[in-house]
Amino acid sequence: GQSLEQPSEVTAVEGAIVQINCTYQTSGFYGLSWYQQHDGGAPTFLSYNALDGLEETGRFSSFLSRSDSYGYLLLQELQMKDSASYFCAVGGGTDKLIFGTGTRLQVFP
Amino acid sequence: GAGVSQSPSNKVTEKGKDVELRCDPISGHTALYWYRQSLGQGLEFLIYFQGNSAPDKSGLPSDRFSAERTGGSVSTLTIQRTQQEDSAVYLCASSPGRGAFTDTQYFGPGTRLTVL
Repeated sequence: GQSLEQPSEVTAVEGAIVQINCTYQTSGFYGLSWYQQHDGGAPTFLSYNALDGLEETGRFSSFLSRSDSYGYLLLQELQMKDSASYFCAVGGGTDKLIFGTGTRLQVFP
Repeated sequence: GAGVSQSPSNKVTEKGKDVELRCDPISGHTALYWYRQSLGQGLEFLIYFQGNSAPDKSGLPSDRFSAERTGGSVSTLTIQRTQQEDSAVYLCASSPGRGAFTDTQYFGPGTRLTVL
């Protein structure tokens, strides 16, 4: 089977750095993606890692370690607008993504 | 339009009624997905269409759920004899179709279904 684990909630203050972890179990593995979803909104794509290492896109970075079945999303210089739910998702041997249950990030002033 | 559209945005129905939810994917996207999201929960995969291939229906929770994709474009998700536990937001996504694990999925705004 396939499963993903991520923390249910993370809190931080504006300007801080926060890391959202994701561990996965899949029968096959073809990459780890991250999506952001604001309350009442649709999920939007943030990043994708197929290979080990760090991918940086502006204030957001995503890391993958395939040997550890682990990845994380790093958000720097947090802003209030970053308050949202963040989902990791894996493609694991089939042509569909399996999503984690999401991490709710609350940014406080 | 430029994005994925879904209709209706909200649907309230009575238990036992059938409902149809519509998804218009981004033009040219060959892959289309349906997900269900209950309040405060993650995205539950329902069904996946890729081009002319047989759909992956492995996520459909019961035989009351079915979906079609006509002409490789518009898709309809049908729920028969709705139950209160079917209440959720139903999200549709499309992608260019190079393979789900490398494709960015573009989500529609969702249909909020409430079964009374």
